[in-house]
Amino acid sequence: DAGVIQSPRHEVTEMGQEVTLRCKPISGHNSLFWYRQTMMRGLELLIYFNNNVPIDDSGMPEDRFSAKMPNASFSTLKIQPSEPRDSAVYFCASGKRESEDEQFFGPGTRLTVL
Amino acid sequence: DQQVKQNSPSLSVQEGRISILNCDYTNSMFDYFLWYKKYPAEGPTFLISISSIKDKNEDGRFTVFLNKSAKHLSLHIVPSQPGDSAVYFCAASKNYGQNFVFGPGTRLSVLP
Repeated sequence: DAGVIQSPRHEVTEMGQEVTLRCKPISGHNSLFWYRQTMMRGLELLIYFNNNVPIDDSGMPEDRFSAKMPNASFSTLKIQPSEPRDSAVYFCASGKRESEDEQFFGPGTRLTVL
Repeated sequence: DQQVKQNSPSLSVQEGRISILNCDYTNSMFDYFLWYKKYPAEGPTFLISISSIKDKNEDGRFTVFLNKSAKHLSLHIVPSQPGDSAVYFCAASKNYGQNFVFGPGTRLSVLP
């Protein structure tokens, strides 16, 4: 299995631009999670989906952030407009709802907003 | 306010010795805990878990201890190996849910 796939791996953009991060979960997993990692706040859960339905988006920092999961094999996290304080590593993870144990993380997207 | 705390940002241990990583939590509703390991430029990978009905769980060189009354858990690695050098995250959830709260991580360095 290829594991969780994220693209791009690195993104550098200017303040005010729209940024779209992409995630392909592991086939057969029905839960998907978006996390953000910063030095100040560590690893924070932004939003998660079960069976393509958003369950908890309380971690989404503000309306500039939105996430979609149009089907079981694809999800996007969009920031519009982006700001320098959005600079972080964004991780996508997937898991099986039936198992409480592990979430499988992708390699992350390092976002830099200038 | 951090609900999951890892008060040691870093830890250095000699190869072959025991590594003890600590984690404290404030929310008494947490009932499921995990440890993840993260290497640079990679996503975190699951290491070991424990539910609140247990006070110990063991997997090879890794053992997690849970002290519910103290709201404290620890990860023991025995013996430590250089390949264990990584950042270790403690995570907790309520109602065995999937909404995990992560600690800030502890960077472990195992010296040869």
